[in-house]
Amino acid sequence: DAGVIQSPRHEVTEMGQEVTLRCKPISGHNSLFWYRQTMMRGLELLIYFNNNVPIDDSGMPEDRFSAKMPNASFSTLKIQPSEPRDSAVYFCASSLGGTHSNQPQHFGDGTRLSIL
Amino acid sequence: GQNIDQPTEMTATEGAIVQINCTYQTSGFNGLFWYQQHAGEAPTFLSYNVLDGLEEKGRFSSFLSRSQGYSYLLLKELQMKDSASYLCAVVDSGAGSYQLTFGKGTKLSVIP
Repeated sequence: DAGVIQSPRHEVTEMGQEVTLRCKPISGHNSLFWYRQTMMRGLELLIYFNNNVPIDDSGMPEDRFSAKMPNASFSTLKIQPSEPRDSAVYFCASSLGGTHSNQPQHFGDGTRLSIL
Repeated sequence: GQNIDQPTEMTATEGAIVQINCTYQTSGFNGLFWYQQHAGEAPTFLSYNVLDGLEEKGRFSSFLSRSQGYSYLLLKELQMKDSASYLCAVVDSGAGSYQLTFGKGTKLSVIP
């Protein structure tokens, strides 16, 4: 079975540029999560979707960040404009089951983002 | 909010047993996960506890005490490949919605 697929794996860009990260969840999973991981702050939940609907975006750092899930098999996380402090590894994860689920999340390989 | 505490680093010897602790505070506990993350890779699921007690899965076991807000991950017969970060993650439904928060992880180094 294909796991969660993220693209690109690596992204290096200059500050001020728009960055778009992409995610394809595991087929049949109805919950999708975007995380950011840094050495200082660990793994932080940015936003999650249930049945393509954003449920909680309280972790999104500021208006420069936005996420969409137009259908059950695709989601994007966009940063515009990007800043050096956005440099991190961004993970997408999916799971089966909605709120209060005991189902584990399956993570993609992540996008390593460097903003110069 | 939530507060999840884990030791930052631990070192153990190949073949030995190691226990990684996790303490947490929630307003509505709804389960606890342990994940393993090798350097440069994605986290992978190890275990899930929602009731008190010990869950055993091969060389790995996870324990939960809800009254104490405490869990541990027990790794037996350590192997070099067990060198990784171990993340404790707590589900809190106290605010009426699903919230999964990860601890900062414990970096385990297994030495010969």
